[in-house]
Amino acid sequence: GENVEQHPSTLSVQEGDSAVIKCTYSDSASNYFPWYKQELGKRPQLIIDIRSNVGEKKDQRIAVTLNKTAKHFSLHITETQPEDSAVYFCAASRALTFGKGTMLLVSP
Amino acid sequence: GAGVSQSPRYKVAKRGQDVALRCDPISGHVSLFWYQQALGQGPEFLTYFQNEAQLDKSGLPSDRFFAERPEGSVSTLKIQRTQQEDSAVYLCASSLVAAQETQYFGPGTRLLVL
Repeated sequence: GENVEQHPSTLSVQEGDSAVIKCTYSDSASNYFPWYKQELGKRPQLIIDIRSNVGEKKDQRIAVTLNKTAKHFSLHITETQPEDSAVYFCAASRALTFGKGTMLLVSP
Repeated sequence: GAGVSQSPRYKVAKRGQDVALRCDPISGHVSLFWYQQALGQGPEFLTYFQNEAQLDKSGLPSDRFFAERPEGSVSTLKIQRTQQEDSAVYLCASSLVAAQETQYFGPGTRLLVL
C-alpha cells in the first residue's frame, strides 16, 4: 500500500515569512496529491491539489510542487498570516493516505 | 448547498457497547469514504464506497467494524463491542464521481469509549 511521510511535524514562522512543508510517497502509481488544512476541532478543508500530469500549481499565496521521479511533493505558503495557523496534511493516492500532519504556527 | 453531515457529533460509549455512526454525503456524490483520526494524527482510511458497492474495506481495523451504504447515499459505520482504542474522530468524506477527485469532509463524530 501507499506510505506518506510528512516533514516537519511543527513549523513556526513569523508573519510575512514563507512556509514549506514536504511529503514523500512510496507508490509510484499514485497520481493525485491534495493538501488539507485542519483547524482545531474542525473538519479537514482542501486548500490545493495536484495531479501527476503537472509539476506545479499555484493559487494566490499557496503553491504545490510535485517531483514524480523523486516521489515527493511540497506545499509552499508565501506571506504567511496568523490565520494560516493550523495543521496541514498532505495525502496521496485514491483512498487517501495521509501524512501525520504539520502544525504551522504563524506569529504576528 | 449542504455539505457532508454526520451524526451524532459526539458519542460516549461504555466498553462493550455497539455504536452506529451516520454519514449523509453531498447529494449526488457517488464516492463515499470513512476515515479514523486519532488525536494528533492524520486521518486513516477505513473503507470506500462507490454508490452502494463497498470497493475497499482494507482499512477496517477488525471484524468489529462494519460499514454499509445500502441505497448509495447515506452510510452507516457500525462498531460492535467497542474498545477504548476505538476512541477517535470518525470522518466521512464524499466526492462527486471518482475517488481521485476532491473529497469533501464532514465534521466528524467524536467517539469516546470509557
